[in-house]
Amino acid sequence: KQEVTQIPAALSVPEGENLVLNCSFTDSAIYNLQWFRQDPGKGLTSLLLIQSSQREQTSGRLNASLDKSSGRSTLYIAASQPGDSATYLCAADTNAGKSTFGDGTTLTVKP
Amino acid sequence: DAMVIQNPRYQVTQFGKPVTLSCSQTLNHNVMYWYQQKSSQAPKLLFHYYDKDFNNEADTPDNFQSRRPNTSFCFLDIRSPGLGDAAMYLCATSREGTGLGEAFFGQGTRLTVV
Repeated sequence: KQEVTQIPAALSVPEGENLVLNCSFTDSAIYNLQWFRQDPGKGLTSLLLIQSSQREQTSGRLNASLDKSSGRSTLYIAASQPGDSATYLCAADTNAGKSTFGDGTTLTVKP
Repeated sequence: DAMVIQNPRYQVTQFGKPVTLSCSQTLNHNVMYWYQQKSSQAPKLLFHYYDKDFNNEADTPDNFQSRRPNTSFCFLDIRSPGLGDAAMYLCATSREGTGLGEAFFGQGTRLTVV
C-alpha cells in the first residue's frame, strides 16, 4: 500500500526566501507525481505534474523534482511571496490507477 | 471560467437526514472523482467513474453512494449522515484513468452535520 509523507507539516518563512518542500513515497512504481496548492476552504489547484520518466518540471518560480529510486520529490519555491501562503499537497499515482495524497505542508510567507 | 463546479459550497444537514452533493464539468473528461477531506488531512478517494464504469474504494462506507447520469454531472449521496461525515467533499475530473493525471478540482462542498 502506497504511503505518502510530507515534511514539514508547517513552514513559516520571510518574504523573498527560497524554500523546499519535501514529499516521500513508499512504492516507487508510480505513474505520476503531482503537486497541488490548496487555499483555506478551497479546492485543489494542480501546480506541476512529473511523469515517471521525467526528473523535474518547472513553472515560473516553481520547480519540482522526482527521484523514483529514493522515493522522493521536492517542490522548490524561489523568491517566496505572501501570495504563496497555502497548503501544498503532493499526490503519487501508481500504475494500478490509484492516487495517494500526503497530508500537506502549510506554508506561511511573512511580509 | 470555472470548469468543475460544485454545488452547494456549504451544506448543513441534520444527523441521519439524506443529503446530495453535486458536481458538474465543462471539460468533457472521461473520469470523475469524489474525495473526502477532513481538517488538516489528505484527501481520501471515495470512488470514481471512468465513463459510466463505477469504481468503489474498498474502505468507502456503504453510507456513501454516487450517480453519474451523463458525462457532465456526478452526484454524491450520503444516505444517513453521521457527525463523522462532516468534511470537505472534493470533486475532480481528468481525461485519463491512470491515477489522477492532470486533474481539475472543484472548489469543494463543506458539509456540516448537526
